[in-house]
Amino acid sequence: AQSVTQLGSHVSVSEGALVLLRCNYSSSVPPYLFWYVQYPNQGLQLLLKYTTGATLVKGINGFEAEFKKSETSFHLTKPSAHMSDAAEYFCAVTYSGNTPLVFGKGTRLSVIA
Amino acid sequence: GAVVSQHPSRVICKSGTSVKIECRSLDFQATTMFWYRQFPKQSLMLMATSNEGSKATYEQGVEKDKFLINHASLTLSTLTVTSAHPEDSSFYICSAGGGLGLRTEFQETQYFGPGTRLLVL
Repeated sequence: AQSVTQLGSHVSVSEGALVLLRCNYSSSVPPYLFWYVQYPNQGLQLLLKYTTGATLVKGINGFEAEFKKSETSFHLTKPSAHMSDAAEYFCAVTYSGNTPLVFGKGTRLSVIA
Repeated sequence: GAVVSQHPSRVICKSGTSVKIECRSLDFQATTMFWYRQFPKQSLMLMATSNEGSKATYEQGVEKDKFLINHASLTLSTLTVTSAHPEDSSFYICSAGGGLGLRTEFQETQYFGPGTRLLVL
């Protein structure tokens, strides 16, 4: 079975500050890990993913995440927050492209001017 | 990334009527499509997994006779909410995954539609 824990249902940062959203996963098989972003009343947009290969992955809008197998973590970071980053962020795990994603509960990111 | 469309984006209907939601994968042929439901300020709840040409696999607690899923082609899946009631009001989101072809990103990744807001009066 797979599971995802996102620490912090709400994270608030100042504009220009570091963004760190935490995600820990549990998986008995090599995981595929994803971060998605959701703006109000919209679907989910893929930020980045890890499947195999390089453990530091870069995504859109300046976000990146590092897969740490020893820590079972896949934390999302961005060096400098922008107002437009305010949204809901979901971490998800699966083991193939055609198996269901298991989502964390989500973290709402607020950016303060 | 790939584009997945959903239609309609918003629907208001009377209690007892049926509503059909379409999900189309525009950039790749998807072997599998998924239907999720999302309540306000909550995460996504998987309703069913649909493979092209096969019957959908429903999650525990999801009424298959109420939520009819058809995956007739590699680019189209439909969700029909039959005899809708106010408690069925929600945000429904589809995703497409398991893409065929050479592009690894389409094979490994699920791409989501923009969602359909259903309000049953």
